[in-house]
Amino acid sequence: NAGVTQTPKFQVLKTGQSMTLQCAQDMNHNSMYWYRQDPGMGLRLIYYSASEGTTDKGEVPNGYNVSRLNKREFSLRLESAAPSQTSVYFCASSLRGQNLNTGELFFGEGSRLTVL
Amino acid sequence: SQKIEQNSEALNIQEGKTATLTCNYTNYSPAYLQWYRQDPGRGPVFLLLIRENEKEKRKERLKVTFDTTLKQSLFHITASQPADSATYLCALRMDSSYKLIFGSGTRLLVRP
Repeated sequence: NAGVTQTPKFQVLKTGQSMTLQCAQDMNHNSMYWYRQDPGMGLRLIYYSASEGTTDKGEVPNGYNVSRLNKREFSLRLESAAPSQTSVYFCASSLRGQNLNTGELFFGEGSRLTVL
Repeated sequence: SQKIEQNSEALNIQEGKTATLTCNYTNYSPAYLQWYRQDPGRGPVFLLLIRENEKEKRKERLKVTFDTTLKQSLFHITASQPADSATYLCALRMDSSYKLIFGSGTRLLVRP
C-alpha cells in the first residue's frame, strides 16, 4: 500500500499566485488533516476533516481552503500565496471511530512550498 | 490554549546509553499523548501512545511515562543506537477532539 500520497513534493510560487496541494490515502481512513511545519514551530494544524463531507478549521486556517473530495482525497488550496506561507506541508490520515485506542496519524512525505 | 514544550536543544549521547526526552504541557490534561519519530525530509511516524490513566508504556527499547500531576511525559530509548538519531515529537489529543497538537520536537543524536 502507498499509504498517504502528497503532490507535488516541491513547488515555488510567486506572491499572489494560487495552487492546490493534493493528498490521497488508500487505507480507508475516516479522518484527514493538513499540517504545516516551520523551524522551531512544530507541526501546526491548518484544517482537518473528521469524515467525508465535513471540514473544520485548525490552529492556522487563514489564507487556506480545503476540499474533502471523497473519502480518499483531501486537498489544500492557497488562493493568493504569501511569503509567510513558505513551509513544509504535511497531509495525514487516521482511522477514527474504529480504533479509538490509538488515533495514530499516518503522514505523507511532505510538500515543500516556497513563496517568493 | 494548550501549549506543548519540548527541549529545543539537541540531545547528544553516546551509543549504548539511555536517551530521555521531555514533553511538558500546560492547561488541561489530554485524553492521551503520542510520540512520533521524524527523520530529515520525511513525515513523522507514530511510535507510542499513553493514556491519561496509564503511568507507563513500553515497546521494545522504548518507554513512555505520563505524569498528569506534573503535566509531563518522558520518552526513554534504552541501549541507544546511531540509527535512533532523529527528531522526536510529542503530541496531545484532547478527549472527543479530532485535533492532535504537536510539540516542536527534540533532535536526538547518538554518537557511535
